[in-house]
Amino acid sequence: DIQMTQSPSSLSASVGDRVTINCQASQDISDYLNWYQQTPGKAPKLLIYDASNLETGVPSRFSGSGSGTHFTFTISSLQPEDVATYYCQQYHSLPLTFGGGTKVAIK
Amino acid sequence: QVQLQQSGPGLVKPSQTLSLTCAISGDSVSSNSATWNWIRQSPSRGLEWLGRTYYKSEWYNSSAVSVKSRITINPDTSKNQFSLQLHSVTPEDTAVYYCARGGGREGYRNFDYWGQGTLVTVSS
Repeated sequence: DIQMTQSPSSLSASVGDRVTINCQASQDISDYLNWYQQTPGKAPKLLIYDASNLETGVPSRFSGSGSGTHFTFTISSLQPEDVATYYCQQYHSLPLTFGGGTKVAIK
Repeated sequence: QVQLQQSGPGLVKPSQTLSLTCAISGDSVSSNSATWNWIRQSPSRGLEWLGRTYYKSEWYNSSAVSVKSRITINPDTSKNQFSLQLHSVTPEDTAVYYCARGGGREGYRNFDYWGQGTLVTVSS
């Protein structure tokens, strides 16, 4: 199985700050990576697909980059509504696997 | 707009079978460009993909090795839905279960629509 390791596991930042989350794959997955946002009590929501493509309707302050084994998710200017847990997910091979999540809070 | 509506019991006894259904609107379970997935989430296991069913001229299933011997995922074309059965459950199977559509090219690339989630507790 491909292991997905996210860091940090949690972070706290001020409104307007730039926030960066890392995701490392245990083997080369090309750009077969997605990012999801989950708020408490809700299902995950697709934000970024194929490592760097913004899903329709998602604000442009969210972005993703990377390929191979190292990926980055960025919120360019943190907003109060961005408080959530963010997950990376690979689809290079079965089983489809997720990272452990990064919980983002407002300082 | 695709919508997925889950149904099924929230409490299952150990050794019994967990059964959930996911009703699809706005798409077809027989679509050649989607897959239909079950994912669960627990504090101990995080988000865990369990398996999927999909139609590409014939029906296919895939599942995670961790549940392969216990899982059944079936499409129901007459009701445009798909189901999950997890047999011989233990308390370790307690989790929130989600159904999700596999999207992107041929449905293999991401999970773009999700059900509302069902908390299933395994307890006597």
